[in-house]
Amino acid sequence: KQEVTQIPAALSVPEGENLVLNCSFTDSAIYNLQWFRQDPGKGLTSLLLIQSSQREQTSGRLNASLDKSSGRSTLYIAASQPGDSATYLCLLDSWGKLQFGAGTQVVVTP
Amino acid sequence: DTGVSQNPRHKITKRGQNVTFRCDPISEHNRLYWYRQTLGQGPEFLTYFQNEAQLEKSRLLSDRFSAERPKGSFSTLEIQRTEQGDSAMYLCASSLGLAGENIQYFGAGTRLSVL
Repeated sequence: KQEVTQIPAALSVPEGENLVLNCSFTDSAIYNLQWFRQDPGKGLTSLLLIQSSQREQTSGRLNASLDKSSGRSTLYIAASQPGDSATYLCLLDSWGKLQFGAGTQVVVTP
Repeated sequence: DTGVSQNPRHKITKRGQNVTFRCDPISEHNRLYWYRQTLGQGPEFLTYFQNEAQLEKSRLLSDRFSAERPKGSFSTLEIQRTEQGDSAMYLCASSLGLAGENIQYFGAGTRLSVL
């Protein structure tokens, strides 16, 4: 059974610092991995999707990497801004078996 | 493209009552997903459809839960004989369902409160 872990559960950084968010998984037989952000009381917004065959994806200040051998994906957010404050979640698609991590709550202080 | 739409946004019901939620996916999206999220947790997968076929169903989905997507467009999630433990945010997502392009887009959710 796939286990998905996001550590830390919460993170606070000053504006301008780079953010590094981790998503660990136990079974490397995945189809893809998707990163989302969730604002309080709202639905999820897709950030990046990495296919199993890819090593990384980039969009603006965001970069996501995938290392299946070590069971880890990392989301980097460069030069953080207060508007980046949210909960960040990873979703693993293990060929139709879908599982989210519990999320990392990020606060970026001005 | 108006995004994924969920109705109602909020539902308050008494224990034992039946409730039904509706999800309208993004037009031409073949896949539709249902998740449940409780406070402080990541969403839990419930079920998903490829067109009108229900392809995967979580063990979390007890006999009281049923989902349909009769014409491969909108979907409904029904909970019978609601219990207080059913109180949660119910999220719907859709995706194209094509190989290599399966980004899920989420609706705003339906918040259920069972009194």
